[in-house]
Amino acid sequence: GAVVSQHPSWVICKSGTSVKIECRSLDFQATTMFWYRQFPKKSLMLMATSNEGSKATYEQGVEKDKFLINHASLTLSTLTVTSAHPEDSSFYICSARRGWGPNTEAFFGQGTRLTVV
Amino acid sequence: KNQVEQSPQSLIILEGKNCTLQCNYTVSPFSNLRWYKQDTGRGPVSLTIMTFSENTKSNGRYTATLDADTKQSSLHITASQLSDSASYICVVSALRGGATNKLIFGTGTLLAVQP
Repeated sequence: GAVVSQHPSWVICKSGTSVKIECRSLDFQATTMFWYRQFPKKSLMLMATSNEGSKATYEQGVEKDKFLINHASLTLSTLTVTSAHPEDSSFYICSARRGWGPNTEAFFGQGTRLTVV
Repeated sequence: KNQVEQSPQSLIILEGKNCTLQCNYTVSPFSNLRWYKQDTGRGPVSLTIMTFSENTKSNGRYTATLDADTKQSSLHITASQLSDSASYICVVSALRGGATNKLIFGTGTLLAVQP
């Protein structure tokens, strides 16, 4: 199956600093990448959708200046949490879709646990 | 409003037993329904994906059913193993025009398999 890798798996940072999370599709070119946030015992919440070479589309209520998304190539997307605060602590998950069409499979990364202290 | 509800919220079963997880949805227009397994602290892993015309799909010990008329799906796990302990998430894809559908996530059923 297709592999999506996130890095780092976990990160601890100080308030006010920025943290970058990488999402790579290792063995396929991803037409679209998605970023999710998940709180404990809660469902995944879509933050933004990004296509290679274009600006990300953010979901309502997600601050684009806070969560910067760069999709520089068909195999790499990054999420930067800027000026992180403790309330940004969460589990962040990316997924990458291979191909086009409504029934195309989306593969998830293993997630990144962010703790802001 | 597009919603996906799962039941039960949590379930404890003994190793070797079977179990069935339920998913009800109110998503329109419907594109497909997926079941994912998410281990604690990990990303979801796809188990099955079904379109409107499919009633059942199997993946090893996992069998998913779909009733598009009643908008219900179930995931049946046969001969459970300790490694089946995880959160099982039902995800319904809504057609949104173009190539990018919107995924509506259920809150998941937390399954614990005990020896």
